[in-house]
Amino acid sequence: KAGVTQTPRYLIKTRGQQVTLSCSPISGHRSVSWYQQTPGQGLQFLFEYFSETQRNKGNFPGRFSGRQFSNSRSEMNVSTLELGDSALYLCASSLVPGPTYEQYFGPGTRLTVT
Amino acid sequence: AQRVTQPEKLLSVFKGAPVELKCNYSYSGSPELFWYVQYSRQRLQLLLRHISRESIKGFTADLNKGETSFHLKKPFAQEEDSAMYYCALKDTDKLIFGTGTRLQVFP
Repeated sequence: KAGVTQTPRYLIKTRGQQVTLSCSPISGHRSVSWYQQTPGQGLQFLFEYFSETQRNKGNFPGRFSGRQFSNSRSEMNVSTLELGDSALYLCASSLVPGPTYEQYFGPGTRLTVT
Repeated sequence: AQRVTQPEKLLSVFKGAPVELKCNYSYSGSPELFWYVQYSRQRLQLLLRHISRESIKGFTADLNKGETSFHLKKPFAQEEDSAMYYCALKDTDKLIFGTGTRLQVFP
């Protein structure tokens, strides 16, 4: 079956703009988690959605938000972009919420803020 | 604070040599730990989790609560093991990742 897909794969934005990233989970998976990966901080948890509800949130400012649709597809939005938001954004899907069971990662969206 | 430490950024070994990728954690409670791997140009994927007590691709990892460690071991490294390895800790339903260790296996 098809894996997790993320669009777009690459994105260049300027400071102050906003951006929306999309994640389509594996068919049947209802949990979607988002991570930010940077060389300095590594992989950091952003938030998790299950059945259209945010279950968990990491330590990121309110500029980072997300949502999940009834078909389990998820979007994350970053408003008022800063240079430090440049990162690889990964989403992962799983059948049930929480990381105990395997999370399947997407290829990521590479965001560059200039 | 909950934390995962992978002290080595890079580990280089020759094919056939034993491998040990170090992972130490800080957690107040009963930890649940994982190893994730990312091969070149592939996605991050689960390698193993300590609750399963499994061996995957010849790799094993034992939870040592006394030393707060979850080192990943393989007795004989293969070239195809070259990848980025991340240790991760479950903390209130989210994963805390270490910074990763790149394993290079030379022929």
